[in-house]
Amino acid sequence: EVQLLESGGGLVQPGGSLRLSCAASGFTFSSYVMSWVRQAPGKGLEWVSSISGSGHDTFDADSVKGRFTISRDNSKNTLYLQMNSLRAEDTALYFCAKDRLGGVFDDWGQGTLVTVS
Amino acid sequence: EIVLTQSPVTLSLSPGERATLSCRASQSVSSYLAWYQQKPGQAPRLLIYDASNRATGIPARFSGSGSGTDFTLTISSLEPEDVAVYYCQQRNNWPPLTFGGGTKVEIK
Repeated sequence: EVQLLESGGGLVQPGGSLRLSCAASGFTFSSYVMSWVRQAPGKGLEWVSSISGSGHDTFDADSVKGRFTISRDNSKNTLYLQMNSLRAEDTALYFCAKDRLGGVFDDWGQGTLVTVS
Repeated sequence: EIVLTQSPVTLSLSPGERATLSCRASQSVSSYLAWYQQKPGQAPRLLIYDASNRATGIPARFSGSGSGTDFTLTISSLEPEDVAVYYCQQRNNWPPLTFGGGTKVEIK
């Protein structure tokens, strides 16, 4: 059974930093693209970043480019999101998602809440 | 960036009725469109990928159709547990991957 468990969220001041983690199990982690998707309170879904299975290729939304960095440690089956220069508009529930086809999210974690205030 | 517009914003139907949800893309996404269901307090769940392929474990009452710019998610006979927000998402031309604004399905 695929499990994705996010952690690292919390309350941070504007301009601050936070590092999210997503511990994966139940599948061959290094074989899959992984992504972060966020959801502001009461709003819809927004793709944030994706990373290839090897970690060599990354893709970011314009809204986070230059501030957020996605990475992974395949030896630890863990996905990361380093978030710097945080803004109020980054406040959201951040989901980790497994990508089955290059942009199709077939498994999701329960999310970790980031509040910038 | 491809913009996805979903309609209606809210759909209120009785159990057993047919639900038809629409997703329109600002430019062609071929068949690279997915649908997700998000129940209150839960993570999204993949329902349909590549326009018409049901994901593993998804009941047959959910079906998807369309190509190019116009897509439809149909729930053939609405069940109370189908109350949720439904999102479409394209992967034809990314980055960025983009989602629609969602359709909320309610039970009368």
